[in-house]
This record gives sequence, C-alpha cells and structure tokens, in this order.
Amino acid sequence: GAGVSQSPSNKVTEKGKDVELRCDPISGHTALYWYRQSLGQGLEFLIYFQGNSAPDKSGLPSDRFSAERTGGSVSTLTIQRTQQEDSAVYLCASSGTGVSWEQYFGPGTRLTVT
Amino acid sequence: AQSVTQLGSHVSVSEGALVLLRCNYSSSVPPYLFWYVQYPNQGLQLLLKYTSAATLVKGINGFEAEFKKSETSFHLTKPSAHMRDAAEYFCAVTSIQGAQKLVFGQGTRLTINP
Repeated sequence: GAGVSQSPSNKVTEKGKDVELRCDPISGHTALYWYRQSLGQGLEFLIYFQGNSAPDKSGLPSDRFSAERTGGSVSTLTIQRTQQEDSAVYLCASSGTGVSWEQYFGPGTRLTVT
Repeated sequence: AQSVTQLGSHVSVSEGALVLLRCNYSSSVPPYLFWYVQYPNQGLQLLLKYTSAATLVKGINGFEAEFKKSETSFHLTKPSAHMRDAAEYFCAVTSIQGAQKLVFGQGTRLTINP
C-alpha cells in the first residue's frame, strides 16, 4: 500500500508568516510522529500522537509550534510567526501495533524561512 | 533518558571494502535499536532493527548489526561496500515499553570510493 505522504515537499515563507505542513500516515497506523531535521540540531523529536490519547508534545521547541491529528489519520503541523531558525526538513512517521513499533517515514517537507 | 552516539560523522571506504559504522547507546530501560539510511533529498528508510530477540540482526541491502549489551553498542556492518551504499546513516534508540519517540544519533555520512 501507499507509504507516508507529506505536503508540500518544499515551502518558502517570509519571516513572521504562519505555515501548515501536512502528513498522511499509512492507512491503519495508530501512531504518528513529527520530527525536525536541521544542520545544527540533527534529527529531533517534536510531537507524537497515539490513538485517542493526549499527544506527547514534549519535543515542541516553543509555543509557536502546534499540531493536530483529525479523525485519527491526517496530521497538520502549524508553525506560527515563523523565524529563520525554523528552517529545516520536517519529517512525519507513522507506526502500527505490534512489538517492534517500527516507524515508517515520509519524504519530508523542506521549510525555508527568508 | 536515552541517547545515541555515532562515532565518526564521515566514513569513507573503497568499493568492495568492509563497512563499519559505530553506534553506542545509553538507556535506563531495555532498548529497541534501529539503523536508518537516508539518501539525498529522501526520507528515512529502515535498514534493520533490534527488538530483544536475536542479538545479530540482518537487514536490507546486505547490512547487519550486532547488539552488545555489555558494550552498549549496535554497530552496523556490511562485508563489501557498493557505490549505491553512499548515503547518511542514522542509529536510533527507543524504549522497549511501547511506541515512543526515536532518539537519533548525529548521523554518519558514508562515502564509497571507486
């Protein structure tokens, strides 16, 4: 079946604008993760959704970042009042049930804040 | 808390030579360990995983890794490098206690010399 998809693939925005990044997980996967990949910080966890449980937001770097997951499927990561340090590749992953909790990654959204 | 250290941000080997990418982890609970590969402008692809079964794990593309609890290591090897193995490799750890965030190492860029 289809893998994890993300849109847009590239986004260029001006400092101070809001952006929304979308993730479509693998059908049937109950868990969804957002990570950020940047030159200075490597791969960082941002937020994790599991079923109907409250999300784990412990990795969000500031209150300008938020995410939601509608209907247990599609997720949107929103960054308000973007800053240049937000420039990075934002990766989404999903996983199903089972003992290995293997995460499958999407191709990412490259965000550039000018 | 969990952490991963990858020794060597860049590794260069000749085509046909042994590939050895080092990963050491720190975890206060039994870990799950993963190696992911990232080709240019692509997302992360799972190479292999350790989930408390066999300590020698075989993955895709001829790679394997051995979990050594006494050394807290999970080094990635391949007997004979191919040009197509040139990519960035990430070691990651998570908790054995269910779907959790991945904690990644800083990555190792593998270059293959003809």
